[in-house]
Amino acid sequence: GAVVSQHPSRVICKSGTSVKIECRSLDFQATTMFWYRQFPKKSLMLMATSNEGSKATYEQGVEKDKFLINHASLTLSTLTVTSAHPEDSSFYICSASKARGYGYTFGSGTRLTVV
Amino acid sequence: GESVGLHLPTLSVQEGDNSIINCAYSNSASDYFIWYKQESGKGPQFIIDIRSNMDKRQGQRVTVLLNKTVKHLSLQIAATQPGDSAVYFCAEHLYNFNKFYFGSGTKLNVKP
Repeated sequence: GAVVSQHPSRVICKSGTSVKIECRSLDFQATTMFWYRQFPKKSLMLMATSNEGSKATYEQGVEKDKFLINHASLTLSTLTVTSAHPEDSSFYICSASKARGYGYTFGSGTRLTVV
Repeated sequence: GESVGLHLPTLSVQEGDNSIINCAYSNSASDYFIWYKQESGKGPQFIIDIRSNMDKRQGQRVTVLLNKTVKHLSLQIAATQPGDSAVYFCAEHLYNFNKFYFGSGTKLNVKP
């Protein structure tokens, strides 16, 4: 149990366009999901906490207008990278948990390349 | 944010040997810790977790030790196999904020 599906796994987009990444909890409901960003050979950096039915909570330094998060249901959170630029190229990973402070499961990640 | 650091950025071991990966955390209020394994191009994979009211937890070939006095966490892998080669991250959970902070990672190389 506790499977998190992330889609797409890879995406290449042109500079200036927007890209949407989906994160789904397949066999459990998640009131909270998390979005991370990872640069090559670096650790995961928490970007924001996605809360079902309310606004996301962004970490300091993360542009909320650049990285739009929507958590419309208990099984789906989306991250939209708006007006993407090459510096937004990165590995984006989501995670979710059945309950607060309980084993967090990660998606398989999305490799975004902006050209 | 909080700081979670690892003592060794890379670790090379011989197949069959035991591996120990260490991690220091900074927040004494952290209530939950997880070790993750990440293979190239993939998302982190849960290995084992431990709550702050415990000091040891064992899984299949893995053991996590928690020393709250010195805020230290370790992951022990018994009879390390080539398939264990990956980057390992520790993460600490701050209950009040419901957030996980990750350490910088240790790359484990298992030599056949």
